[in-house]
Order: sequence, then C-alpha cells, then structure tokens
Amino acid sequence: SQKIEQNSEALNIQEGKTATLTCNYTNYSPAYLQWYRQDPGRGPVFLLLIRENEKEKRKERLKVTFDTTLKQSLFHITASQPADSATYLCAPIYQKVTFGTGTKLQVIP
Amino acid sequence: GAGVSQSPSNKVTEKGKDVELRCDPISGHTALYWYRQRLGQGLEFLIYFQGNSAPDKSGLPSDRFSAERTGESVSTLTIQRTQQEDSAVYLCASSFNGGANTGELFFGEGSRLTVL
Repeated sequence: SQKIEQNSEALNIQEGKTATLTCNYTNYSPAYLQWYRQDPGRGPVFLLLIRENEKEKRKERLKVTFDTTLKQSLFHITASQPADSATYLCAPIYQKVTFGTGTKLQVIP
Repeated sequence: GAGVSQSPSNKVTEKGKDVELRCDPISGHTALYWYRQRLGQGLEFLIYFQGNSAPDKSGLPSDRFSAERTGESVSTLTIQRTQQEDSAVYLCASSFNGGANTGELFFGEGSRLTVL
C-alpha cells in the first residue's frame, strides 16, 4: 500500500539557519507533490506545488526538491525565523491528495 | 463566504449517538475532501468528491461512516453509533482541480468531535 513518511521527531533549529525537512514515499509514483503548513488548532495552509519534471521549486525563502528516483522530496526554509515554527506536511498526489504525518519545526531565537 | 466553512466547530456527544458534520466549500470548487486528525497525529484521508464522479470512499474506516455531497455544494459527514475512538478533529477541504487534480486545498477550521 502507499506509504508517506516524514521525520516523526520534532526538528529544532537556530534562528537564521536553514531548516531541511524530508518526505519519503513508497509503492506509488505521484506526478505532483504539495507542501502545507499547519499551525496548532488550525487547518493546513498550502505552500508549494512541484511537478515531477521540475526537480526544484522556489518561493521566497522556501525551496522544494522532488527526486522521483529516490522517491523523496526535500523542503528547505532558509534564514529561518521563529514565525516559521509550525508543522509541515507533504502531500504526494496520485489520484487524490493524501498527507504524510508531518514534521514539527521549532525555530529557536 | 470567502473560505471553507465547517459546522459545528465543537461537538460533544455520548457513545452510541449519531453525529452529522457539515462542510460548505468555496463556491466553484469541484473537489471536496474529508480528513480525520487525531490529537498529535497526521491527516487521515476519509473520502474525496470530484464533481459528479463517484466519490473515492477508500479511507472511510468503517460502515459507521458515510458522506454525501450534492453537486458541487455542501457536504455532510455522518458518523453512526459513535465510539470513543472517533474523537478527533474532522477537517474538510475544497479545491478547483481544473482536471489535473493538483489544485491547492483550502481547509476549513475543522469540527472537533469528542465522544464521551
């Protein structure tokens, strides 16, 4: 069955550093992958979509890569800020949108 | 409205009762999803509606769960004979897929269900 894995442990990082979150998927081949941000008590908010032929996508301080051979996406936040603290969810898309378990990021001032 | 609206925002019920959760998607959005999120957990896919196609019900955990959507409007998620394990936040999301199923999802604030 399809499986999506994200770092289950929280990621703590110093303000100003680059945060890197990992999303691995198995047993299917999504042509698209989305990333979302979720704050406590709120619904997720869309951040980025990357297509299988794009390899890399950037938006302001965010960068996403998509390696269909490794079946992996990396999500980077450069010059991280305390306001970036949240849970980040990846969502590989194959017929429908399903989510990984999310990685909680804590940016320490 | 401007966003996805869900009601009730909070529901406390007794074990064995039926509950109905409602979702008003963004006008014009053809796709609608329901997810369940238990405390501290990720989003668990429940059901997906796309236009007038047959819904993808593959995520419904048991026959106590059902959902309906009329056209591209309101959806209701019904849980019959609730159990304590059904306690969670139920999130609804809608998108305008444009045929590629890649449209960003817009989420509601969720309905928090507590089964005593």
